[in-house]
Amino acid sequence: KAGVTQTPRYLIKTRGQQVTLSCSPISGHRSVSWYQQTPGQGLQFLFEYFSETQRNKGNFPGRFSGRQFSNSRSEMNVSTLELGDSALYLCASSFRETDTEAFFGQGTRLTVV
Amino acid sequence: GQNIDQPTEMTATEGAIVQINCTYQTSGFNGLFWYQQHAGEAPTFLSYNVLDGLEEKGRFSSFLSRSKGYSYLLLKELQMKDSASYLCAVRATYKYIFGTGTRLKVLA
Repeated sequence: KAGVTQTPRYLIKTRGQQVTLSCSPISGHRSVSWYQQTPGQGLQFLFEYFSETQRNKGNFPGRFSGRQFSNSRSEMNVSTLELGDSALYLCASSFRETDTEAFFGQGTRLTVV
Repeated sequence: GQNIDQPTEMTATEGAIVQINCTYQTSGFNGLFWYQQHAGEAPTFLSYNVLDGLEEKGRFSSFLSRSKGYSYLLLKELQMKDSASYLCAVRATYKYIFGTGTRLKVLA
């Protein structure tokens, strides 16, 4: 079956712009979580969704937001981009929120200039 | 607070055994995971421990001691393709908390 699909793979934006990233989970998976990965900080948890409800949110400013649709696809939005938002954004899906394994997508590499 | 510590970098020789340690301090614990991540690629699942003890999966084994907040990943018969970052992660309530990863270099 198809894996987790993230689009776009690469993105270059200017400071102050906003960006929307998309994540399509594995078919049948209802839990989607998002992470920011930077060389110095590793993977930092952004948020987790299950059945269209945000279950938890990490320690990120309000400029970072997300949502999940009825087909389990998820989007995350970053407004008023800053240079420090340059990172690899990864999403992971699992069938249930309590599942023992999450499957990661290839990520979206965001560069803010 | 919530914290996961693991060494930044390790080097080992092809065919050898290497142990990557991870200590954690989190509120809520629903299991400890190890992921492998090659440069430029997504993390891939290696192992999961929720009870104390050793879980073995081929060349990879993972150990957990919940009372000590400690885990290790053991890689045997190292191969060049094992050069990657190894991420220790704890499943807390509705989220994963990741360590910064251990970059393993396998030398010929």
